[in-house]
Amino acid sequence: EIVMTQSPATLSVSPGERATLSCRASQSVSSNLAWYQQKPGQAPRLLIYGASTRATGIPARFSGSGSGTEFTLTISSLQSEDFAVYYCQQYNNWPLAFGGGTKVEIK
Amino acid sequence: EVQLLESGGGLVQPGGSLRLSCAASGFTFSSYAMSWVRQAPGKGLEWVSAVSGSGVSTYYADSVKGRFTISRDNSKNTLYLQMNSLRAEDTAVYYCAKDHTATLVMGNWFDPWGQGTLVTVSS
Repeated sequence: EIVMTQSPATLSVSPGERATLSCRASQSVSSNLAWYQQKPGQAPRLLIYGASTRATGIPARFSGSGSGTEFTLTISSLQSEDFAVYYCQQYNNWPLAFGGGTKVEIK
Repeated sequence: EVQLLESGGGLVQPGGSLRLSCAASGFTFSSYAMSWVRQAPGKGLEWVSAVSGSGVSTYYADSVKGRFTISRDNSKNTLYLQMNSLRAEDTAVYYCAKDHTATLVMGNWFDPWGQGTLVTVSS
């Protein structure tokens, strides 16, 4: 079973600044990694799949990188609507697994 | 527009059963695998189960294996989750989500998700 670990648990960022979120897999998942955004009271929304491909309608300020066991989600210039919890998910092996999440909060 | 609408959640006693449904619209339902993902109050996301587009292949998380059964009725565009022997730790919002392919040769990412239905297991 693959364990996904996200860091930091909470990231305090000022609007307009860059945010860098990390996700680590306990074994290689190749590029089979997705990122989701979840706002309070809402369902998660797909941001990135294939480690670096933006989903339809996702702004270019969101970018993903990495392969194997180390992945990064970067938000280049945080907007007010980007303050949320972000989850990574591996889909390389069964059972599928999510990371514990990173909360991006206003500094 | 793809829409997923869950129903069937509620309060159930430990050891009880519940069946969740997810009504899908806006896409060819049988052409996509579907999954259930849950979120305990204040906690992160946990994948629960997946079913292939045909309904033949299924996968389960160890935490629910032997207690939960995923199924689908492609003629009704509806996904189900039969939950038996429920425990307090099964308390969560249950989301259905559309996978990106029909098969489960490997896992999938999820897009979109329904709004979820709350299951509370308590005496």
